[in-house]
Amino acid sequence: GAGVSQSPSNKVTEKGKDVELRCDPISGHTALYWYRQSLGQGLEFLIYFQGNSAPDKSGLPSDRFSAERTGGSVSTLTIQRTQQEDSAVYLCASSSRTAPYEQYFGPGTRLTVT
Amino acid sequence: ELKVEQNPLFLSMQEGKNYTIYCNYSTTSDRLYWYRQDPGKSLESLFVLLSNGAVKQEGRLMASLDTKARLSTLHITAAVHDLSATYFCAGGGSQGNLIFGKGTKLSVKP
Repeated sequence: GAGVSQSPSNKVTEKGKDVELRCDPISGHTALYWYRQSLGQGLEFLIYFQGNSAPDKSGLPSDRFSAERTGGSVSTLTIQRTQQEDSAVYLCASSSRTAPYEQYFGPGTRLTVT
Repeated sequence: ELKVEQNPLFLSMQEGKNYTIYCNYSTTSDRLYWYRQDPGKSLESLFVLLSNGAVKQEGRLMASLDTKARLSTLHITAAVHDLSATYFCAGGGSQGNLIFGKGTKLSVKP
């Protein structure tokens, strides 16, 4: 079946603009994770959803970041008033209840803030 | 909080040689992962190790886990150019998330 998909694949935005990144997990996967990969910080965990709920948002880097998930499926990560340090590849992963240890990653969204 | 350290961070190998990448982690983790990443690509799962003494092999790669030593290894046998990539180990976080090491960039040269 289809894997995790993310859109857009690339996004260039001006500093101060808002951006929305989308993740479409594997059908039936209940858990969804957002990560960020940058040269300086490596791979960082941002937020986790079980169903539509995110029990802990402390991994989000600042209050400019927010995420939601609707219908237990698609998730959006929103960054308000983007800064240059937000430039990174944003990766989404999902896993199923029956195999919770297997996380499948999407292709990522490369965000460049100019 | 779990911390994961890999070494070496860079590894240049000749084809046909063997080598081992080491992954140490700071606190108890009930699982240990190895992922591969090719340039400009996403992460591909290689192995998930769930118990002490677990050993998994796929082709020229073999991963093992020693939970008492808090150490996992990824052994490469008779390296070939196609294995050139960055390899990440990761432990399990409290929310089921992955906590990654910095990655080992492997370059296999003829």
